[in-house]
Amino acid sequence: NAGVTQTPKFQVLKTGQSMTLQCAQDMNHEYMSWYRQDPGMGLRLIHYSVGAGITDQGEVPNGYNVSRSTTEDFPLRLLSAAPSQTSVYFCASSPSGALQETQYFGPGTRLLVL
Amino acid sequence: GENVEQHPSTLSVQEGDSAVIKCTYSDSASNYFPWYKQELGKRPQLIIDIRSNVGEKKDQRIAVTLNKTAKHFSLHITETQPEDSAVYFCAATGANSKLTFGKGITLSVRP
Repeated sequence: NAGVTQTPKFQVLKTGQSMTLQCAQDMNHEYMSWYRQDPGMGLRLIHYSVGAGITDQGEVPNGYNVSRSTTEDFPLRLLSAAPSQTSVYFCASSPSGALQETQYFGPGTRLLVL
Repeated sequence: GENVEQHPSTLSVQEGDSAVIKCTYSDSASNYFPWYKQELGKRPQLIIDIRSNVGEKKDQRIAVTLNKTAKHFSLHITETQPEDSAVYFCAATGANSKLTFGKGITLSVRP
């Protein structure tokens, strides 16, 4: 199993541009989520999904959209990039939506918005 | 919502010494408390977790203790080694069933 994969590894955007961060998992996990990691801020939840067709907002959802059309994929869309969205983005998955189990993180995408 | 705080923000210990990292949480309904380790440039990985019906859990050199009355839990690392140097995140699952992470503690083990 590849586990949780993310693409791209690194991206530079200009303010106002849009892009999609890809996340995929091959473990048949129901729960998937997106976090952003900023220095001194820990991991903050952006959006999450408890299964295909179901998504919900986390702590910092503004400026981001998600969809979950399949169990495997959970893309994160930046609608109009802003410098405040410069961060490292981690996708994570777990077997069910109970949240009382191991979260498996992807390798991360480092995003720089100029 | 749940608020998770970690103290101190940085910790430096001599190789072979023990390290203790403490976290406090605000939601008394929280019932699951994991610890994640993140090495520089890598992804966070679960190292140990504890549920609210257990007071202590050990796995080789690491242990976690939970005090529900005081709403804090701690990570204990014995016989520290240079490879223990990393950022450690605690987290808690609160009543809203969302996993809330602390801001992380940077542990440095001096050889």
